[in-house]
Amino acid sequence: DAGVTQSPTHLIKTRGQQVTLRCSPKSGHDTVSWYQQALGQGPQFIFQYYEEEERQRGNFPDRFSGHQFPNYSSELNVNALLLGDSALYLCASSLAVDRKETQYFGPGTRLLVL
Amino acid sequence: DQQVKQNSPSLSVQEGRISILNCDYTNSMFDYFLWYKKYPAEGPTFLISISSIKDKNEDGRFTVFLNKSAKHLSLHIVPSQPGDSAVYFCAASDVTGKLIFGQGTTLQVKP
Repeated sequence: DAGVTQSPTHLIKTRGQQVTLRCSPKSGHDTVSWYQQALGQGPQFIFQYYEEEERQRGNFPDRFSGHQFPNYSSELNVNALLLGDSALYLCASSLAVDRKETQYFGPGTRLLVL
Repeated sequence: DQQVKQNSPSLSVQEGRISILNCDYTNSMFDYFLWYKKYPAEGPTFLISISSIKDKNEDGRFTVFLNKSAKHLSLHIVPSQPGDSAVYFCAASDVTGKLIFGQGTTLQVKP
């Protein structure tokens, strides 16, 4: 049973560039959430996708956008990268957004913006 | 506005003893609480959860206690093992399902 997978594992970009991160949920899961974890902090909720729509959004600017595909996989896009966007980006999947289902996390993508 | 707080950045215990990690929250709408463990270069791993209708949940060496009146939860690990050394995050969610995390507590279990 494959768990949550994310790609790439590491990424280096320069300020102003755009980046796309990818996530495949755990088998059987239909909801994907994205989190940003800065060094020394807990993960911060970015947004959540269910049935290919953004269902919840955290306090992140519009530069952060996402997409969910019919197979439940998801992408996180960040435009006009800033130095402060350097962080570990985590994807989590769960079974249904409206029930108390545990979210399972992938290994993350480490983004460095220079 | 930090809705979930872990006030102890680090904790060191001896192998075989009890580890107690604490977490406080401010939002009374939270109704589901979780603990995750994180090793370096890995994503958080789910440990144990508790619904607000309960005050205790146990899974092997891990027990989570919830005190709703104090808006406080704790994770007990008994007995502690060196492999338990990691960063522990508590998280809370409301009906929307998004998780709000604390800052984490680094646990070191000494042999």
